Order: sequence, then structure tokens, then C-alpha cells
Amino acid sequence: RKEVEQDPGPFNVPEGATVAFNCTYSNSASQSFFWYRQDCRKEPKLLMSVYSSGNEDGRFTAQLNRASQYISLLIRDSKLSDSATYLCVVNIGGSYIPTFGRGTSLIVHP
Amino acid sequence: GAVVSQHPSWVICKSGTSVKIECRSLDFQATTMFWYRQFPKQSLMLMATSNEGSKATYEQGVEKDKFLINHASLTLSTLTVTSAHPEDSSFYICSSIPGGYNSPLHFGNGTRLTVT
Repeated sequence: RKEVEQDPGPFNVPEGATVAFNCTYSNSASQSFFWYRQDCRKEPKLLMSVYSSGNEDGRFTAQLNRASQYISLLIRDSKLSDSATYLCVVNIGGSYIPTFGRGTSLIVHP
Repeated sequence: GAVVSQHPSWVICKSGTSVKIECRSLDFQATTMFWYRQFPKQSLMLMATSNEGSKATYEQGVEKDKFLINHASLTLSTLTVTSAHPEDSSFYICSSIPGGYNSPLHFGNGTRLTVT
């Protein structure tokens, strides 16, 4: 089993839709969690950190469920510009190397 | 915010030549630099982890003699692809963690290497 798993998608949604992605991690000692966005042929850019109590940034909400070992990203009122690949990154406890999920592809269509 | 400057952004080279990619941390000390490679429509793959002043740690399957990593200072890490071949054509990205272990990664803007 991979340490960090994501559904690769693609998720194909209309503008204005709400879409949610999950990312599961296998190591219960994982300490910090992040969502990144990667556009085609570009480097990943930090979208938001994920805090234990959950956090929101505009249309984006991130949540952490330690008991079930997953993080989620909710995007409300999807825009065409949200089309991208969303990567979850987990800092595994005991390792200094951030671990990536393979990414979830989102396509927002008119 | 912390900036990782990577160059060149793209390079085209002939088979058999070597290419050097540089990553500089502009406003922080990059004790550790991670080097990734990404093929089209695939996920980022960690190639190696370099720590300033010591030898890089390579991931399984990555040839250390082909992908030379130097991290001689706290602000500069380089990746040299030696004797490049067309199968080395890929997107190479460096990243570091400016704020310590529990902080997010900051990425360079990537280098697109095409070997003809």
C-alpha cells in the first residue's frame, strides 16, 4: 500500500459545482499536511496547509481526520480556473522527506 | 515568502552532452534540497535528497553517477544530468522547506529538459 493515496480522477464538473477530494495516508505518525495545486507543465504551488481543526480559505476548505487517516479538500463554486491537478503532501513522522500523493485531476467545464 | 529560484527554465541539448540545473534559495538557507522528476501525465518522483555539505541520498533506481548533485552552500544546489539521452527528457524540479520540518515545501519553477 502506498503511503499517500489519492484518486487520480479526472473529476469533471460544471462551473459552480462543489467538488471534494480525499487523500489517505498510512502512517499514523504523520505530522503535517498540505494541499498543492499543479497546472500543466508548471511546478506545484501551495494551496493551503491543513490544520487539525480544519481551515478555510475563500472557496477552499481543508479538513484532517486523524482517526481515519485522511485529509480532504472541498472546493465550492468551482471556476474554470480551478482546473488543475491537486496534490496532497504529507510529512511522515520520523522522516524528513515529504511524501506526495499522485494527484487528483480536476476539470471544470462551462 | 521564501523563494527558490531554478534555472534554466528549459533546455534543449544533444544526446551525450551534460546539462546543469541550478536551484538557489533567495531569502533563506536551504539546508536540504529535494530533487524531483516528472514525466508527462505522471506524478512527481523524488530522485534524491541533498543536504548542504554532504553527499546526496538517492532514491532506489536513480543512478548517482548519471545525476550528479552538489549542495556546497546553503543557498545553492545543482543537479547535473551527465551524458543525457532522450529518455532523460523530463521536467526536473527542486524544492526545499524554508520553515523547518512541519512547514510546506517551496518549489523552484522547474526545468524542462529535452534531449534530442
